[in-house]
Amino acid sequence: GAVVSQHPSRVICKSGTSVKIECRSLDFQATTMFWYRQFPKQSLMLMATSNEGSKATYEQGVEKDKFLINHASLTLSTLTVTSAHPEDSSFYICSARTGQSNTGELFFGEGSRLTVL
Amino acid sequence: QKEVEQNSGPLSVPEGAIASLNCTYSDRVSQSFFWYRQYSGKSPELIMSIYSNGDKEDGRFTAQLNKASQYVSLLIRDSQPSDSATYLCAVKWGAAGNKLTFGGGTRVLVKP
Repeated sequence: GAVVSQHPSRVICKSGTSVKIECRSLDFQATTMFWYRQFPKQSLMLMATSNEGSKATYEQGVEKDKFLINHASLTLSTLTVTSAHPEDSSFYICSARTGQSNTGELFFGEGSRLTVL
Repeated sequence: QKEVEQNSGPLSVPEGAIASLNCTYSDRVSQSFFWYRQYSGKSPELIMSIYSNGDKEDGRFTAQLNKASQYVSLLIRDSQPSDSATYLCAVKWGAAGNKLTFGGGTRVLVKP
């Protein structure tokens, strides 16, 4: 299947700092990428849809000024958690779709585990 | 609010048996259905996708879709200890662009 790579896989930061997570599609171009968050023993919750060359679309309840998304190229989207707090500690997962929008399957990156102290 | 419901489990099955996982969804205007497997601490990996009513088989996995009943299931035949994981059902709504909505997942434990 298609390869989606995330970096870093783990990050620990102090409260109040900002953290950037990168998501790359390695063998295909992704005009759209998705950012999910998963708390322990819970399912994936979509945070935002990242569109290449335009502003991201955020889900209800997700603060766009706190979770900055940039999708500057067809193979790279970044999520920056600004002024991180302990409640932002979570597993952040990006994904990208291949093929046509209605049938293309979603492939996930390896995930980035954020721990805010 | 569109919803995807799964029994959280754990579903405990002996090695070699069939594991049967169920998923219901709340909206009839849905196009695509997916089953993902997620090991603890890892990201989900796609197992099966199904788009039309009926059965779809891939190796030891069979997905079954019944749109009239708003129901999709996954059967795992000859279950192995390595199948122990959380299985996530995901639905792509017809009018929601490319977004997927995930169920809460069913934890499966295959005992040797």
